[in-house]
Amino acid sequence: DTAVSQTPKYLVTQMGNDKSIKCEQNLGHDTMYWYKQDSKKFLKIMFSYNNKELIINETVPNRFSPKSPDKAHLNLHINSLELGDSAVYFCASSQDWPGRYNEQFFGPGTRLTVL
Amino acid sequence: AQSVTQLGSHVSVSEGALVLLRCNYSSSVPPYLFWYVQYPNQGLQLLLKYTSAATLVKGINGFEAEFKKSETSFHLTKPSAHMSDAAEYFCAVRPRSGYTGFQKLVFGTGTRLLVSP
Repeated sequence: DTAVSQTPKYLVTQMGNDKSIKCEQNLGHDTMYWYKQDSKKFLKIMFSYNNKELIINETVPNRFSPKSPDKAHLNLHINSLELGDSAVYFCASSQDWPGRYNEQFFGPGTRLTVL
Repeated sequence: AQSVTQLGSHVSVSEGALVLLRCNYSSSVPPYLFWYVQYPNQGLQLLLKYTSAATLVKGINGFEAEFKKSETSFHLTKPSAHMSDAAEYFCAVRPRSGYTGFQKLVFGTGTRLLVSP
């Protein structure tokens, strides 16, 4: 009965490869997010989707392409992986009510290592 | 833009001692404030949140935080540390407005809590 799940948990790959990370939430939320946590534990938002529409797109290389096939899923595809892409990627979800604090629920993370 | 500052990248306490983790925000309007905890190799879990009801907020695992507008602070405390409290703690801020949809959650740089026996 996991609320926000991500696959895979670990991903080790070579520079230049293309890889995807999948995220699913069973909370019925309408908003999903991707965060990147670097080696110093700093967390930064990358993308956010509301009802399958992109609403937040931070300054992220266009090698990163999120896709939301439905409200419950948000996948992250990364092309031409670079060493600097090594990090932990977290998916999160929330229900966006106007005027509310909209608590975000996080997945367990995907540790990406680029060799 | 909203920002949040966590003083001290590492805090060390002895088991049973008071835990104090500091968080200050910058905003002309008091935002929504959150404390998250991240245990090793896990995702983030919400400890507590300030949404303007009470200024003293109680969370899970015996943690609490007090919102002080005059000091623009939201420090996290626990009266008695336990070994299981060792983790990374993040303060986060989200703007408060008439419609808070699509507003980013901005995280502090985190504080690692070390608990010694």
